[in-house]
Amino acid sequence: QITLKESDPTLVKPTQTLTLTCNISGFSLTTSGVSVGWIRQPPGKALEWLALIYWDDEKLYSPSLKNRLTITKDSSQNQVVLTMTNMDPVDTATYYCAHRYCHDGTCYQTFDFWGQGTLVTVSS
Amino acid sequence: QSVLTQPPSVSGAPGQRVTISCTGSSSNFGAGYDVHWYLQLPGSAPKLLIYADSNRPSGVPDRFSGSKSGTSASLAITGLQAEDEADYYCQSYDISLSGSVVFGGGTKLTVL
Repeated sequence: QITLKESDPTLVKPTQTLTLTCNISGFSLTTSGVSVGWIRQPPGKALEWLALIYWDDEKLYSPSLKNRLTITKDSSQNQVVLTMTNMDPVDTATYYCAHRYCHDGTCYQTFDFWGQGTLVTVSS
Repeated sequence: QSVLTQPPSVSGAPGQRVTISCTGSSSNFGAGYDVHWYLQLPGSAPKLLIYADSNRPSGVPDRFSGSKSGTSASLAITGLQAEDEADYYCQSYDISLSGSVVFGGGTKLTVL
């Protein structure tokens, strides 16, 4: 059973750096084709993709946020970590980590299992 | 402004058929990239409904179907039920700006 769980809700101050952890189970971060992504959703607004990390450590970032994001994985700890620098109140959102969907040997750029999400509030 | 364009809202009566459109461009659908669809209930994480244009993951009822042609895609829901009332998002991959996963702005489905 695949599960993902984000770190607890957090309050950060403007200009601070956010660090989020996604704890995974039911799959391995080293299995060929596996990928985990981060997606966020401001209150009442649409989903926004942030970053993706692949089993071979290849990384993909949102072009608009690339300069502020770093995604890493620790396969031995079954964790994927996202850091976002220079936080601003507009970054207030629920942040999700999600597992990339693979079926019958083909992996797709979409997500089948999601964490419950964690609320990040940016305020002084 | 989302890369993929969806109507903000659609509505239908129980038992009816509704469709939700998703308009892309030459750098996503037009470049051959798949469209995927999610349903999101209030306070919950998104749920994958359709992948690779028209395929349903295990457990998704066949009342949900997807299609894509050129730079446009659509999600159809037949036999509308009260529990279908939710937000729906399309998603794809875009090759502009070094490549990225992109979402639509979401469509709120109201069951009348």
